[in-house]
Amino acid sequence: TQLLEQSPQFLSIQEGENLTVYCNSSSVFSSLQWYRQEPGEGPVLLVTVVTGGEVKKLKRLTFQFGDARKDSSLHITAAQPGDTGLYLCAANFGNEKLTFGTGTRLTIIP
Amino acid sequence: EAQVTQNPRYLITVTGKKLTVTCSQNMNHEYMSWYRQDPGLGLRQIYYSMNVEVTDKGDVPEGYKVSRKEKRNFPLILESPSPNQTSLYFCASSRTLGPQYFGAGTRLSVL
Repeated sequence: TQLLEQSPQFLSIQEGENLTVYCNSSSVFSSLQWYRQEPGEGPVLLVTVVTGGEVKKLKRLTFQFGDARKDSSLHITAAQPGDTGLYLCAANFGNEKLTFGTGTRLTIIP
Repeated sequence: EAQVTQNPRYLITVTGKKLTVTCSQNMNHEYMSWYRQDPGLGLRQIYYSMNVEVTDKGDVPEGYKVSRKEKRNFPLILESPSPNQTSLYFCASSRTLGPQYFGAGTRLSVL
């Protein structure tokens, strides 16, 4: 079973600060997805990355896919309370399954 | 509205009493799957289905069954629930392994 490690597990910062969370594996991804989950709801897709070295931006969120296709990062600029949630990465390793990381629980303090 | 519908949202049951959690999607997606979410363990895939009549085990299939008789429905069956199956369950659908659309979740407690 391939594993996805996310770090940090918990992150609490002040509104307006920047932050980066990471998703790493020892195996190569075919593709990687980032989701955000809020309490009482299912995860909601933020972005999909498929090309090594790819960078995608979604307003204040910047997603990077590592050149070796074994890691990804999510950077949030000027964090806002609405960014609070559980951030999950999910990877396909070339089979029929989707493997999720354990998540980063982000809290933005007003 | 495109959606994945799970029922029930909350369920309390006792050990050994068979139960079914239903899942239905209206997006004509081929791929459907079930996950359980536990603190510190993230989302773990229980079963998945690539299409009608095609199902396969995920990472934690023990104690669960599924069926895919129709494209839109993918029920999760616990024949004899045990307390270690107390968890938050999510159904999801997608086109192949594309972006997953998740249901709102079913919180199950097995006493």
